[in-house]
Amino acid sequence: EAQVTQNPRYLITVTGKKLTVTCSQNMNHEYMSWYRQDPGLGLRQIYYSMNVEVTDKGDVPEGYKVSRKEKRNFPLILESPSPNQTSLYFCASSLGGTSGRGETQYFGPGTRLLVL
Amino acid sequence: GENVEQHPSTLSVQEGDSAVIKCTYSDSASNYFPWYKQELGKRPQLIIDIRSNVGEKKDQRIAVTLNKTAKHFSLHITETQPEDSAVYFCAASLMGNQFYFGTGTSLTVIP
Repeated sequence: EAQVTQNPRYLITVTGKKLTVTCSQNMNHEYMSWYRQDPGLGLRQIYYSMNVEVTDKGDVPEGYKVSRKEKRNFPLILESPSPNQTSLYFCASSLGGTSGRGETQYFGPGTRLLVL
Repeated sequence: GENVEQHPSTLSVQEGDSAVIKCTYSDSASNYFPWYKQELGKRPQLIIDIRSNVGEKKDQRIAVTLNKTAKHFSLHITETQPEDSAVYFCAASLMGNQFYFGTGTSLTVIP
């Protein structure tokens, strides 16, 4: 089954304790992206990757890191989480490119993070 | 960067009526405009999209229109059904890389 998976789905942590949220896709997609969703603010892009070893900042990258060492995986790293990073996080992937359905994004199930 | 505004934030319609959600964007270089539906507790799912070389696109009860000159695009849902109740997000993107989302419209279809 074609899908985007995220782990963990729920996480409670404390300020300053490094954490990683994993994202994996099995559709051989070139493009992957991370978003955070907060009430009243919609979805905001954190980082995106157009291919292996190619990453770029989205609209709200501060406090986050990413890496794309393999095509299928795109982990989100919070080196020193703070309470303002409490949010619902979504990973997404797409074929990439601008022809046909290249831009169509498929979202993972979301990771709900609480930073105390 | 790009700024996407979405209105209204909440919308209630009677079953069978039409619903219209409007978005404006600021960057004339944006060329891809998707709409997502998010049901409570679920992930966003693409329902329709439009590219800047097209003015209108329709898929059954859902249609999207784009006015590049005025930099606005709209989602039209006809013959609404209770299962259309959800939060709808518009987005604007350049070449499918950076995405900027609206703040969402909570649609309630009253049976």
